[in-house]
Formats: sequence, structure tokens, C-alpha cells
Amino acid sequence: DIQMTQSPSSLSASVGDRVTITCRASQSISNYLNWYVQKPGKAPKLLIYAASTLQSGVPSRFSGSGSGTDFTLTISSLQPEDFAIYYCQQTYSIPIPFGQGTRLEIK
Amino acid sequence: QVQLVQSGAEVKKPGASVKVSCKASGYTFTGYYMHWVRQAPGQGLEWMGWINPNSGGTNYAQKFQGRVTMTRDTSTSTAYMELSRLRSDDTAMYYCARPRLIRGVMMFDYWGQGTLVSVSS
Repeated sequence: DIQMTQSPSSLSASVGDRVTITCRASQSISNYLNWYVQKPGKAPKLLIYAASTLQSGVPSRFSGSGSGTDFTLTISSLQPEDFAIYYCQQTYSIPIPFGQGTRLEIK
Repeated sequence: QVQLVQSGAEVKKPGASVKVSCKASGYTFTGYYMHWVRQAPGQGLEWMGWINPNSGGTNYAQKFQGRVTMTRDTSTSTAYMELSRLRSDDTAMYYCARPRLIRGVMMFDYWGQGTLVSVSS
């Protein structure tokens, strides 16, 4: 089974900061990598799919990159509504694990 | 618009079973698989498996094999997830999620609102 490892597990940042979250797969998954954001009490919401394609309606300050085993999610200028938990997910093969999540907190 | 509406919260005793429903609307139910994902309190997301609403075929995560059953009712566009022999560590929010394929890559673009299942004696 493919394992997904996110880092860091938590991150403190300020409004306006640029932040990067990393996700590593235990074996190559090409670009079969998605990113989700989850806010308290809500279902996850798709942010980026196929490693780098923004879901419709997602602000352009979000970007994704990577291929193979190493991927990044970057937020270019943090906004107050971005403080949440971010998860990566591989859909290259079954089972479909998520990363353990990165909690983005206000500094 | 696509909507996935799940059944309400459940409280169960250890050893019991729970059946969660996910009613789909706004799209052709039999045209998309349905996945189930759970999240224990304060924890991450855990994939449980999928059902093909067209054929009824299923694929379960090994962890849940023998305890989970996913079914569907095409007449009401509803998917079901039943988990048996409940334990306290099954206490979680359970989500249904509809996948989409773009350029061969699958992602979950619509999610239900979640159903909280609490297991306690």
C-alpha cells in the first residue's frame, strides 16, 4: 500500500505570509495527487487536483506542484479564511490514503 | 446542483451495527462511484471503500473487510454504508464522497455533510 506523509503537521503563520506544505508518497504516484482543505465542523473541500490544477472557484493564491513522490501546496499570501487543516490524497491506487494533515494556525 | 445528504447522528452500543445513508441528487446516481471516508474526533481522514451504484460492486479497505457493507438503492439514488460489530474506536464522522475523473485522475469533488456515529456503552 502507498503511504502519504505530510509535513509539517502544524504550522503557525501570519496573514500575508507565504507558506508551503509538503506531501511525500512512499512510491511514485505520477500526478495522482489531490489537496483538500477542512474547516472546523465541515466536510473537506477539494482545492487542487492532479497535483497542480486548481478546482473551480479556488483563489489563485493557492498553487500545487510536484510529480512522482514529492508534492507541495503553496499559499502565496495567507488570508484569514485560510487558517484550517490541509490534507493531501493519492488516487493512483487502492487503497486511497490521505496524508495525516497539516494544521495551519494564526501566529 | 449536486448534493449528497446524509442521515442523522447515531448513538450505538459496542457490538451493534449502524447503517448510514447518503442521498444523491443533481446528477445521474448510477454514473459515478460513491466512496466512504471517516474521521475520528481530532484525527485525519480514513478511506473506507467504494461502491459502484450501477453494478453494486464494492471494494473495501482491508481494515474494514468483514465488518463493512456498502449497498445502494438506485430507485431513490441512495448509497448506504453499514458497519457491524461496532467498537468505541469506530466513533467518528462518516462522509460519503462522489469521485470525478479528469484526465485519468480521480478526486472527490462533492462530499456529504457527514454523519456522526458515537459508540459508547
